[in-house]
This record gives sequence, C-alpha cells and structure tokens, in this order.
Amino acid sequence: EPEVTQTPSHQVTQMGQEVILRCVPISNHLYFYWYRQILGQKVEFLVSFYNNEISEKSEIFDDQFSVERPDGSNFTLKIRSTKLEDSAMYFCASSRTGGYTFGSGTRLTVV
Amino acid sequence: AQKITQTQPGMFVQEKEAVTLDCTYDTSDQSYGLFWYKQPSSGEMIFLIYQGSYDEQNATEGRYSLNFQKARKSANLVISASQLGDSAMYFCAMREGQMLGSNFGNEKLTFGTGTRLTIIP
Repeated sequence: EPEVTQTPSHQVTQMGQEVILRCVPISNHLYFYWYRQILGQKVEFLVSFYNNEISEKSEIFDDQFSVERPDGSNFTLKIRSTKLEDSAMYFCASSRTGGYTFGSGTRLTVV
Repeated sequence: AQKITQTQPGMFVQEKEAVTLDCTYDTSDQSYGLFWYKQPSSGEMIFLIYQGSYDEQNATEGRYSLNFQKARKSANLVISASQLGDSAMYFCAMREGQMLGSNFGNEKLTFGTGTRLTIIP
C-alpha cells in the first residue's frame, strides 16, 4: 500500500537553529499538508499546498515557517529560527480526492 | 465554538466488549466528511473509517462502524469485540465543504482532542 514517508523520525535541535522536515507524499496525490501535534494535545492544521503554492495556512504558520516542493517528489517544512514551543510531532499528509494519508511523523525537540 | 468535540478523555474497556467513542461536530456546510484516526503509542496516525455527509448508510470497516446521526451532528465510532491492540488514542476529524475557488480535495481536517482507549485483559 502506498505510504507517505517522513524523515527524520526524530530531530533534536538547539533553540534558534533552522530545521527542515522532509516528506515524500504518495506519488499521484495532488494536495499536501503539514499538521502539528504538541505532546498530549490535539492535531492542529498548519498549511495546505496545491499546484506549487500555499492554499491555506493557519495562524500558527507565521513567518518563521515555509514550505516547498523542490522537486517532483519531496515536500518540505522549514522552521527558520526554532523556539522551545515548536517542540511537537509534525505530520505530513497527502490526498488526491479528499482521503488523507498521514506519514509517521517527525518528533522535533527544541532544547 | 469547537468544531469537533470528543467528551471522553479516557475510557477503559474489557477485552472482547464493544466500545463506543463519542464525537459531535459543528458545521453550517451541507457537504462535509467525518474521519476517525487511531494513534498508537508509536505516534503514527492510522485512518480507520470515513463518513460523508450525504452517505445514507453508516460506514463500516471490519470491526469499526460509524454511528452517524446527522440531525444530532454526531459521528460516534463503534469498535466491536475489542482487542488489546485497540489500546490507543482515537481522534475524530472533519473536512468541511469545498472552499470557494478551491479544487475539491484541498480542504483541511479539523481534529478533536481525542479519546485515550485502554483495553483491559
């Protein structure tokens, strides 16, 4: 069964550093998303992406965040200057016609 | 107002019993979809079942069924014959109607706060 692949599975970074979280969506999917889950809390929408541009973003997705689809397969989330409160599980998801497949997540720890 | 409400933060159920996880939703859209996901302790999000707002039949997937009561805006997940491996966090989520000017399929999911289900041997 096709999968959404996320790397790395865990990342520890120092406050103020830049991180890039990587995702390989399912190949024939058209819509891509990033979600965040702070430990013990609900999953929150960050951003959706279609046709090489952002479709919608939440108030969480401020100027320190950016997304990119640098080639035909990867979809990345960049956090420019990480803060302690960015520590969370980050999920990538993709869809084609409204069914969503999630990756296994990247657990980001900012120290 | 919360769009998705899950009122049971935790539940304990005896193995082999059926369990119902509650979910109510709030939307003014006519077209929407409701999803349930399972999140085991390893952290991944596993899709379980989907119900569209225009679906007349309740969705079923193996031991999972969705008790969809549109007038009450509820979409409860029923797990029959629970197993130890069902112990996990369960999230209800909603996709609301097609965004103006967008292409179908681009709508985000809004999640509830989840229910932690523990199956007791």
